[in-house]
Order: sequence, then structure tokens, then C-alpha cells
Amino acid sequence: QVQLEQSGAEVKKPGSSVKVSCKASRGTFSSYAINWVRQAPGQGLEWMGAIIPIFATANYAQRFQGRLTITADESTSTVYMELSSLRFEDTAVYYCARVGPEGGMDVWGQGTTVTVSS
Amino acid sequence: EIVLTQSPGTLSLSPGERATLSCRASQSVSSAYLAWYQQKPGQAPRLLIYGASSRATGIPDRFSASGSGTDFILTISRLEPEDFAVYYCQQYGSSPYTFGQGTKLEIK
Repeated sequence: QVQLEQSGAEVKKPGSSVKVSCKASRGTFSSYAINWVRQAPGQGLEWMGAIIPIFATANYAQRFQGRLTITADESTSTVYMELSSLRFEDTAVYYCARVGPEGGMDVWGQGTTVTVSS
Repeated sequence: EIVLTQSPGTLSLSPGERATLSCRASQSVSSAYLAWYQQKPGQAPRLLIYGASSRATGIPDRFSASGSGTDFILTISRLEPEDFAVYYCQQYGSSPYTFGQGTKLEIK
């Protein structure tokens, strides 16, 4: 079973960018979609976007268009999520998650806390 | 964008009771591409149900789900102490793959 390991917590200033990694170990990586989902403190889940590494084309939620870039490096089985022009309201836990062969996100990373603070 | 509305917002029940959670979509969810997740504090969500009614690997059979089109239900037949958590529905048939706002299942 694939496991997803995310990079560590980040503290960023407003207006800067953050890049979070999600590395897959064990199992197939390239042919399944990797999604990014975030959760602001005390709030619900918000889908941000996704990529299928073998196709390398990302799909983004409209509200993040222009600020969000999701990329994949098949050689290292790693997916990256970069969010730019950070605002205080981008403070959240960011999760990567794999869509399983039958649908639904069946494997999740441990989450990466991103804090935007001046 | 498909908006998912979950009800109730909070459900207070006792262990052993039956829980029924609702998820209503603003438009039809294609091919029943609907999932349910359980999330406990400080943890990542856990997939319970995919395809509107199929249990994910390792999910106990006290969890069941049904529905199609715009109305979906998650049922927990007899609540165990570990079932008290927040539950989210998500549609993955039409981008953006939106989540409901969640139902908190709390111990009465």
C-alpha cells in the first residue's frame, strides 16, 4: 500500500510563496491522481486541485487559479503544491491524498501546517 | 460548482444508537461519484465510502451508505465509542471536487 509523506511545517510572510512536497513510498505512484486538500483552523475540508503524475496536467479549483501550481516528479515519486501571494487566510493544514482505483481519496499524507504571519 | 449541504450540523447520540447523516447536492452527482470521510481531531480524514455505497477497505459493516442524484445518506447502525468524529461527504464527479461542511457526531 502506498504511503504519502509530506514536508514539514512552514511559517511564511504575507505575499510570499510556500512549496509543500508529498512523497510516495511503496506501491504505484504515477497512474493515480494526487489531490491537495486544505483545512483552516476549526474549519472543514477544501479541495484545491489535483494532478495525475503520468499525465503531468493539473486541475485547479477556480478560486486558486493563478496562485496555485501543482507539479509532479516521477523520478522521485514526489508531488509538489506551491501557493503564491499568501494571505493570512491561507493559514491551514495542507494534505495530499491519493485517489484510489475505485474512487475516493484512500491514502492521505500526515498534513503540513502552513502559518501565514507577519 | 456543486454545493454539498450536510445535515444536521451536529448530531448528539449515545453509544449503541443508530446515526443517520445526510448530504444533499445542489445538482446531480454524476455516476454516484460520492464519498464519505471520517475525521478525528488532529488526524487526516479517513475514507469510509466511495461510489455512494461501497465500503472502503477495512471499514466495519456497521457503516453503510446509499443514495443517488442529489440525496445521499450515511448510516452507522450501532455507534461505537470510536465513531464519534466529524463526517464529510465529497463529490468527485465534477471539478471542483467539493466537500460538504461536515456533520459533528458527538456523545450525548
